[in-house]
Amino acid sequence: KNEVEQSPQNLTAQEGEFITINCSYSVGISALHWLQQHPGGGIVSLFMLSSGKKKHGRLIATINIQEKHSSLHITASHPRDSAVYICAVRPSTNKLIFGTGTLLAVQP
Amino acid sequence: NAGVTQTPKFQVLKTGQSMTLQCAQDMNHEYMSWYRQDPGMGLRLIHYSVGAGITDQGEVPNGYNVSRSTTEDFPLRLLSAAPSQTSVYFCASSFTGTGSGYTFGSGTRLTVV
Repeated sequence: KNEVEQSPQNLTAQEGEFITINCSYSVGISALHWLQQHPGGGIVSLFMLSSGKKKHGRLIATINIQEKHSSLHITASHPRDSAVYICAVRPSTNKLIFGTGTLLAVQP
Repeated sequence: NAGVTQTPKFQVLKTGQSMTLQCAQDMNHEYMSWYRQDPGMGLRLIHYSVGAGITDQGEVPNGYNVSRSTTEDFPLRLLSAAPSQTSVYFCASSFTGTGSGYTFGSGTRLTVV
């Protein structure tokens, strides 16, 4: 079993919908990262979380350390949000453990 | 612009050839790392470094070498390329503190034929 599990693996939404991507992990962590990768593109860091909730524009990330679970929400989704969203956890060292990603397609 | 610079962006190699993927950062990050990304799998750590002169193996180090002679540069060498090394490679860097985020390079798409 992977140490970081994301769901769903694939998600198709209509423009304007509220989107939730989930990440569960099985190891102790010092931080959790949400990353975005556009098709054929590089990887961009969206959030780093160790507790609570963070918001940036239409993106909101939450984490529940006790339940070992994080969610990434996108409000008022737009076709430009179409990308792969990757959850990665950082145990006590600098090494990251990655989920396999969620492929999001937002249709106009 | 500050960041992580990876070169080349694309490369095709023949089986048995060697090459070096370059990674440079100008943020004075102590930690640098190389990952490979394959379809259906999460990024996997190849090698990493916590500072100049210090390197260590990650999850999938076989067939790859690294060195860290300066804080800025962390090249990845493929010794004798194999088709199984066809992948997209990413370099990433960060400060070593637990509160530090990561900066990723734009990736190198490598095909070994």
